[in-house]
Amino acid sequence: SQQGEEDPQALSIQEGENATMNCSYKTSINNLQWYRQNSGRGLVHLILIRSNEREKHSGRLRVTLDTSKKSSSLLITASRAADTASYFCATDRGGTSGSRLTFGEGTQLTVNP
Amino acid sequence: DTEVTQTPKHLVMGMTNKKSLKCEQHMGHRAMYWYKQKAKKPPELMFVYSYEKLSINESVPSRFSPECPNSSLLNLHLHALQPEDSALYLCASSQGPHTKYLSYEQYFGPGTRLTVT
Repeated sequence: SQQGEEDPQALSIQEGENATMNCSYKTSINNLQWYRQNSGRGLVHLILIRSNEREKHSGRLRVTLDTSKKSSSLLITASRAADTASYFCATDRGGTSGSRLTFGEGTQLTVNP
Repeated sequence: DTEVTQTPKHLVMGMTNKKSLKCEQHMGHRAMYWYKQKAKKPPELMFVYSYEKLSINESVPSRFSPECPNSSLLNLHLHALQPEDSALYLCASSQGPHTKYLSYEQYFGPGTRLTVT
């Protein structure tokens, strides 16, 4: 079964509003990453937060991580139509063999102009 | 250059065909990955190569055969596929070396959309 579960599954907002997506996971992790995917194309890495970090910012993105609750959230502020995409969280169990990402089910975000 | 390229973009093959997917990166990354993504589902890890050696095989059927000819190239050889193997196949790479406590973001290619008839 998938490690990560995200909610909501779909989110529709107006331009300028903030969008919040949540991710829960089940096992211990090395780090948690967020990716964006536009309409069946390749994924774009947004932000990586390590297990010893609680919050991280990148531009209009803010990610929090609560390892005690095994959950993370992604906040996109002042959303734009170009932010319309699927957003996935991915947990990384770490290891010397390379990153072993397990993706959540994703949130489909629609930003209406 | 932060690009991962994949060819072909689209591929239609019959169940008796043999075909290959190709992936290339020139970022000096030492880990490369194959993922399979079905429509409206998240990507699922298939294989990981670390320093050109297969390090992870997520119990993928033998009709999928990965190959890493050098540190920049990754191939996925396909043979006797089934219609349920139709999906978007994504290649990714990441900086190494990875340790138990240190790993890196992955850079994804645009994918190859495979249809098995």
